[in-house]
Amino acid sequence: AQSVTQLGSHVSVSEGALVLLRCNYSSSVPPYLFWYVQYPNQGLQLLLKYTSAATLVKGINGFEAEFKKSETSFHLTKPSAHMSDAAEYFCAVRWGSGNTGKLIFGQGTTLQVKP
Amino acid sequence: NAGVTQTPKFQVLKTGQSMTLQCAQDMNHEYMSWYRQDPGMGLRLIHYSVGAGITDQGEVPNGYNVSRSTTEDFPLRLLSAAPSQTSVYFCASSSDRASSYEQYFGPGTRLTVT
Repeated sequence: AQSVTQLGSHVSVSEGALVLLRCNYSSSVPPYLFWYVQYPNQGLQLLLKYTSAATLVKGINGFEAEFKKSETSFHLTKPSAHMSDAAEYFCAVRWGSGNTGKLIFGQGTTLQVKP
Repeated sequence: NAGVTQTPKFQVLKTGQSMTLQCAQDMNHEYMSWYRQDPGMGLRLIHYSVGAGITDQGEVPNGYNVSRSTTEDFPLRLLSAAPSQTSVYFCASSSDRASSYEQYFGPGTRLTVT
């Protein structure tokens, strides 16, 4: 079955430190990959998406992610964490195109940023 | 555009009661879906629709019904609420016409079943 795995349910970094949130998926050919962020008591907001163009994708708030087909990974990074980055982050993968496509989410990673 | 709207924001039900969670979008998206979010489990797909009159089951459909009579609306019905349905429910929509399949999410409904 298709699956998305986020390594680490909680990640804690100091303000100014590198943020690395890991995401791996089960198939070698996922068409579309996404990272969403959820702030407390809010809905999900798209951070960035990979849609078969450049493998390094830049998103909002200084985040970026690199699609690595050989590793079936789509890790999210930010060079310098800010307190406002504290939130829950979800990796999602869409398999199939057209009307058969469904979005499968990872379990989520809570990012804590310490002053 | 209001985007994706959901009502109510909060709801408390007793076991066995039924209710409908409302979802509407004003972006003319053909694809709509319902997810539930539980701690440590991410978002799981309940039901989805690829257009008016067409619905299908997701990962966790038991205990829920949906219908899609218009492009804009996609209500989720709980037939006989159970404590296991305590969760946060999100509705989302997207359009294949955009060729990016980005899903837009509503603000969520927090449901407690006692």
